[in-house]
Amino acid sequence: AQSVTQLDSQVPVFEEAPVELRCNYSSSVSVYLFWYVQYPNQGLQLLLKYLSGSTLVKGINGFEAEFNKSQTSFHLRKPSVHISDTAEYFCAVSEAGNAGNMLTFGGGTRLMVKP
Amino acid sequence: DTGVSQDPRHKITKRGQNVTFRCDPISEHNRLYWYRQTLGQGPEFLTYFQNEAQLEKSRLLSDRFSAERPKGSFSTLEIQRTEQGDSAMYLCASSSPVGTQFFGPGTRLTVL
Repeated sequence: AQSVTQLDSQVPVFEEAPVELRCNYSSSVSVYLFWYVQYPNQGLQLLLKYLSGSTLVKGINGFEAEFNKSQTSFHLRKPSVHISDTAEYFCAVSEAGNAGNMLTFGGGTRLMVKP
Repeated sequence: DTGVSQDPRHKITKRGQNVTFRCDPISEHNRLYWYRQTLGQGPEFLTYFQNEAQLEKSRLLSDRFSAERPKGSFSTLEIQRTEQGDSAMYLCASSSPVGTQFFGPGTRLTVL
C-alpha cells in the first residue's frame, strides 16, 4: 500500500513570486508520481507525471517537479506564479509497472496567489 | 475527443433515497475509475473496471454502493438508502491500460 503526505494545507504567495508545494510518499514498491490541479467545482487536471527517466519533470503552465527517491519526495515548483494559479493541488502515486493503476492522493495543498 | 463526462453535475436528495450517477469515459479508454472526494480532502479510490469487468473495490464501497459498466463503455454508480455521510464529490476517470487517468468534472451529491 502507498500513502502520500502533502505537508502544507495552504500556501499563500504573492503574484510573480516562486512557489514550492511539498509532497512526500511512502511505498514498499516502486511508484509512479503525479501532480493534479483542481479549480473550484471542477474535476482534476493532470499537471505532470513521473514514470521513469529524468528525475526533473516539466509540466503544463510552467510547473515542474523533481523526483527524489532517497527522500521519497516529489515537490512541485513554479518560478513565478500568476493569479490564475490559485487552485487546489494534489500529489498522487500509483504502483509502478502499470500507469493505469488506482491512484492514492494526498490531502491537497491550496495555493492562494495574492496580487 | 470530448473528455470524460459525468451526469448529473449536482444532485440533492433526501436521506434514504436512492441515487444513480453516470460516467461516459473517453471513447478509446478501456479502464474506468470511480473516486470519492469529501470537502477539504483528496480523492479516495472506490472501484475500477477494465472493459465490463469490475477488477477492484475499495473497502469504502459499502454494500449500499454498486457500480456497473454493462457494455464496457459508460458506467453507473448507484447509492441506495443514502446517508448524510455520503455527501461528497464523486469523480470518474478513464485511462488506456498503461495510460494516465483523465478525470471528469464530478457529480456533487448533497444528502439532506
